[in-house]
Amino acid sequence: GAVVSQHPSRVICKSGTSVKIECRSLDFQATTMFWYRQFPKQSLMLMATSNEGSKATYEQGVEKDKFLINHASLTLSTLTVTSAHPEDSSFYICSARDRGRSSYNEQFFGPGTRLTVL
Amino acid sequence: EDQVTQSPEALRLQEGESSSLNCSYTVSGLRGLFWYRQDPGKGPEFLFTLYSAGEEKEKERLKATLTKKESFLHITAPKPEDSATYLCAVQALRQYGNKLVFGAGTILRVKS
Repeated sequence: GAVVSQHPSRVICKSGTSVKIECRSLDFQATTMFWYRQFPKQSLMLMATSNEGSKATYEQGVEKDKFLINHASLTLSTLTVTSAHPEDSSFYICSARDRGRSSYNEQFFGPGTRLTVL
Repeated sequence: EDQVTQSPEALRLQEGESSSLNCSYTVSGLRGLFWYRQDPGKGPEFLFTLYSAGEEKEKERLKATLTKKESFLHITAPKPEDSATYLCAVQALRQYGNKLVFGAGTILRVKS
């Protein structure tokens, strides 16, 4: 149980294009999903918190117009990196909170998406 | 500001050589402390949640403990398949949306 998937696992794009990453909770409903980015040999940095049916809450320093987040259903959140540039190259990971579990505070992570912007 | 510091940054062990990883934290009201394992190029895998000082949890060769200032992840008789980065994270009572603040991790290498 508590499986989270991400698609795609890897994406290479040209500078200036937009890339959409999907995060799905496969066997549970997630009212809240989180988006992180991770640079090589560094820890996870929270970018934004996504609540189903409402606007995402972005962390300080994260451009909401550049990183568009949509959480349209209880099992799907998307992150769109708009007008991507090489400095956006990173490992993007989503997590989800299972509202049906008694241990409500745990987050379950997806496998990550490696974005490379040329 | 909530902070998490993990030590050591890297640890090399021989198979069967038990050791401990440390996670020191500063948080204004702890909701929970979490341990995750992360393999290269993959997302973190949930291991444990600890909520109050004195609490302990075990899973196979791993045992996590919690005090008011730090947590330890004890690894007993490790095997090469335990090699991974171990991440510690805290969740504060006052944090909107129950967000996690992560430490930098400890890279564990177990040699056979």
